[in-house]
Amino acid sequence: ETGVTQSPTHLIKTRGQQVTLRCSSQSGHNTVSWYQQALGQGPQFIFQYYREEENGRGNFPPRFSGLQFPNYSSELNVNALELDDSALYLCASSSRDRGLYEQYFGPGTRLTVT
Amino acid sequence: AQKVTQAQTEISVVEKEDVTLDCVYETRDTTYYLFWYKQPPSGELVFLIRRNSFDEQNEISGRYSWNFQKSTSSFNFTITASQVVDSAVYFCALSENSGGGADGLTFGKGTHLIIQP
Repeated sequence: ETGVTQSPTHLIKTRGQQVTLRCSSQSGHNTVSWYQQALGQGPQFIFQYYREEENGRGNFPPRFSGLQFPNYSSELNVNALELDDSALYLCASSSRDRGLYEQYFGPGTRLTVT
Repeated sequence: AQKVTQAQTEISVVEKEDVTLDCVYETRDTTYYLFWYKQPPSGELVFLIRRNSFDEQNEISGRYSWNFQKSTSSFNFTITASQVVDSAVYFCALSENSGGGADGLTFGKGTHLIIQP
């Protein structure tokens, strides 16, 4: 196990609703990245948070937003949910300051939008 | 733009056979990082290896070995004497910025490896 935890495990939402997913990073890691993995596809980079600021973003619309807290845990918020948002959402922690560039992933949150 | 191609969608072999998973990447940067991850049915991505673009040495870890060739932009993964527990989806990934900086990781579509007993 990596020490990265995510909650909830599963979630069912209705189109148009908003959702918040949570991630606790591995001890000693200060960087959190979020990915979306559609069924049968590789993970797609959403954004990364480093020292509580968004540090980079993939090709996702502004309704995907996030936060990082002083303890380095993070939230992913998705507004105005669409059916295509149904996916496994993965968070990964790493430690850029220590030169530990490997990203360690949590178990993911399975989001279903109906 | 960076891109990772895993042409093999699914591979099925009998236990104890050797198997190689192919990965071809595209990048315009001279400094980049390559990764392999394993995703068992539970869904959690398990880190296997990171390789820097300036280090072309091949690596062996137990039954796993990796062949990095910049000339062909390939980073292939071989499992020797495969076991049923190796069954999973394997992803190759690329990062152009400090191994996961602002650009995050770009993943291939994965290769589903099935090891039959």
